[in-house]
Amino acid sequence: DIVMTQSPLSLSVTPGEPASISCRSSQSLLRRNGYNYLHWYLQKPGQSPQLLIYLGSDRASGVPDRFSGSGSGTDFTLKISRLEAEDVGVYYCMQGLQTPITFGPGTKVDIK
Amino acid sequence: QVQLQQSGPGLVKPSQTLSLTCAISGDTISNNGASWTWIRQSPSRGLEWLGRIYYRSNWYNDYAPFVKSRMTINLDTSKNQFSLQLNSVTPEDTAVYYCTRLIGENWLDPWGQGTLVTVSP
Repeated sequence: DIVMTQSPLSLSVTPGEPASISCRSSQSLLRRNGYNYLHWYLQKPGQSPQLLIYLGSDRASGVPDRFSGSGSGTDFTLKISRLEAEDVGVYYCMQGLQTPITFGPGTKVDIK
Repeated sequence: QVQLQQSGPGLVKPSQTLSLTCAISGDTISNNGASWTWIRQSPSRGLEWLGRIYYRSNWYNDYAPFVKSRMTINLDTSKNQFSLQLNSVTPEDTAVYYCTRLIGENWLDPWGQGTLVTVSP
């Protein structure tokens, strides 16, 4: 199975300030088609996970442009340019390269 | 807009069968580009992919090795829904269970509302 790791595991951010989360996979998520099969989700308190970023860097429908994803191969980053109160929750990276699909442990983001 | 609506009991006794259903709206279960998937989440194990059912000229199932011997995903095309059955449950199976759609063998969207299932006498 592909093992996903994230850092940090928790983050306190002042509103309006940037935030960055790192995700690493135990094997490359880059396919021959040039796409990275790495996706980001946000689970807000009391809610189901929601898709933020797919294929490493494409924002899902309705996701604000303050969210961006980057990286390739085994190292990926999710950046929030200016944190807003509604962004609090747990952020997960997920690999879709092969089954079983696996997730990172999550990064809890709250307001400082 | 695709929506997934889960139903099923929140309490199951040890050794019995956990059964949940997921009703699909806004998409069809026989969509060639989708797989209908079950995920669970617990504090101790995080998010775990359990398995999926999908149509690619025929119907196929795919299960996580750790539940393969106990799990079945079925479908009801007339109701456009799929279901999870997990046999011989133990307290370790206590978790929030989600149904979700895997798009293009790749990312999951959307997710059902989640069902907390507690395994207890």
